[in-house]
Formats: sequence, C-alpha cells, structure tokens
Amino acid sequence: GAVVSQHPSRVICKSGTSVKIECRSLDFQATTMFWYRQFPKKSLMLMATSNEGSKATYEQGVEKDKFLINHASLTLSTLTVTSAHPEDSSFYICSASRTSGGHYFGPGTRLTVT
Amino acid sequence: DQQVKQNSPSLSVQEGRISILNCDYTNSMFDYFLWYKKYPAEGPTFLISISSIKDKNEDGRFTVFLNKSAKHLSLHIVPSQPGDSAVYFCAASQFQGAQKLVFGQGTRLTINP
Repeated sequence: GAVVSQHPSRVICKSGTSVKIECRSLDFQATTMFWYRQFPKKSLMLMATSNEGSKATYEQGVEKDKFLINHASLTLSTLTVTSAHPEDSSFYICSASRTSGGHYFGPGTRLTVT
Repeated sequence: DQQVKQNSPSLSVQEGRISILNCDYTNSMFDYFLWYKKYPAEGPTFLISISSIKDKNEDGRFTVFLNKSAKHLSLHIVPSQPGDSAVYFCAASQFQGAQKLVFGQGTRLTINP
C-alpha cells in the first residue's frame, strides 16, 4: 500500500512564531502533493497543490506568503505557517499522488496557536 | 460555491442494515468520484471510487452508484457494522490521476448495535 506520514502529529506554538509541517510519501514517489485544512466539523478545504520542483499553486483566498509550501523531492513536501496566529489553529492534512493517480492521505497535524 | 454537497450531516443505522450516504455535485466537468472514511484527528482513508463511464462500482460491502444525469452519487454499505461508524466524505475531480479533489461537507454515520 501507499503510506504517507506527517510530522509532527500535533504542535502548539506561540502567536507570531512559524511552524513547519512535513509530509512524506514513504514507499512511492509523489509527483504531486496537496495540502488541506479542516476546521472542526467541516469539510477538507484544499489550500494548495505542489508539484515536485516547481512552485505551488494556491487556491483562491489562501495567502501564499503565509503558508509557504516547498516540494523539494518526490517524497517530501513541507508546509510552513509563518507568523502564526490563533485563527491559523486547525487540522492540516496532506495527500500525495502518483502520476497514475490515487490520493493517499497523511494522518494530519493538529496545530494550536496560543 | 459548494460544488460537492452532502446534505445529510448525520445518519444513524442499525447494525446489519444498509447504510446509504448521498452526495450531489454541480460541476459537470467532474468525471471521477471517490468516497473516503475519516475518524477524528486522522487523515481520510480511501474506500471506493467510480469514473463517469460507469454507473456502479462494487468492492465487498461497499457499492457506489453514479447517476450522471442527476449529478448524484451514493455509497451503500451492507451489512453495516459498528466499525463503520465514522465521517464519510465524497470527493470529485475532473480527471482520474493526480488532480485536486473537491470534498463534500461529510456525513457522520453512526451504526447502532
């Protein structure tokens, strides 16, 4: 099966600091990775799509300077929440896809900004 | 603009009976549909998918039906088991492959013993 990991699973940070979340495809090469955000009892909202070696494509309303996405290799993408504020507190989930398809989700990262 | 809608936020079903979860979409460009199961504080787990060239796909206890003219799909689980209790999301994309997914709001399914 295709396994995707996220690290950390849970992070608490102070307002104004930056937090980096890693998403790794453990047993396959992911040409594309997606970052989602889920508010409590809400749907998964796509934030951005990243392809290895190129700039991420952000969805409308998502601040690219606040949510920095890097997809430096075929197995790793990172999401950095810069100058985090309490309203950034959320559950962040990545998914990884091969060119042939399939969306394999990571376990998610719970971010709490105090 | 909610392109994928799950109008039932919750559903309660007796163990052993059939669970039917519904999903509607508005974008006629969607041609690949998926169902995911999600537990709290975990990522979604893929259940089953269907492409627009089919109207039914079956995998064990799970069957997905697609009605393109009505822009409607449903997930049938039979027989329902207590372990099926979770939130179910339908999702759609324009192509099968590494394309972005648009998710519905989710339906919380509770299977009662």
